Amino acid sequence: GNSVTQMEGPVTLSEEAFLTINCTYTATGYPSLFWYVQYPGEGLQLLLKATKADDKGSNKGFEATYRKETTSFHLEKGSVQVSDSAVYFCALSEGRSGGSNYKLTFGKGTLLTVNP
Amino acid sequence: NAGVTQTPKFRILKIGQSMTLQCTQDMNHNYMYWYRQDPGMGLKLIYYSVGAGITDKGEVPNGYNVSRSTTEDFPLRLELAAPSQTSVYFCASSVNRGRGNEQFFGPGTRLTVL
Repeated sequence: GNSVTQMEGPVTLSEEAFLTINCTYTATGYPSLFWYVQYPGEGLQLLLKATKADDKGSNKGFEATYRKETTSFHLEKGSVQVSDSAVYFCALSEGRSGGSNYKLTFGKGTLLTVNP
Repeated sequence: NAGVTQTPKFRILKIGQSMTLQCTQDMNHNYMYWYRQDPGMGLKLIYYSVGAGITDKGEVPNGYNVSRSTTEDFPLRLELAAPSQTSVYFCASSVNRGRGNEQFFGPGTRLTVL
């Protein structure tokens, strides 16, 4: 079956530091890949996504590239801010045709804390 | 648009009690989902629905029931609460437009079973 493995947290950084959160996946089909972010006390919200190999998703200074050869979708940001403190989830949806690409499989999440 | 709303925000139940977690979306999405989030374990899919009158089990359905009588509402029922059901519950919705569909999440219900 499908699975997502994220780097273990928590991750603690100083403001303006470089961020990488690793994510690798196992899928039987050709999945779409996502990063969701959960701020304290809130639900998840989509941060970025990529739907095919070599696509780069980007939003709010975060980037991730869909690497089919290494089955990876690592999240990066060049300069983090205190407001980026949150839990980050990598996820995939099945890529089969016929409308079955709506279910998400999540990683366990990585807690990021950014200190001033 | 309010998006996805959930009630209640918090609830404490005694073992054996029952309750219904409410979920409503106003985006006319045909797909809806219930997840539970346990500390350090990510989100697990409990049940999902692809449209009114159609529901199916997810990864962890035991101890729960759902119904989908309208496009907007997708309540989750706990019949005999157990301590193992202590968790944060999230409802989500999406529309199927092909690859890369975004799911929209509600703010969650924090449930404690004592």
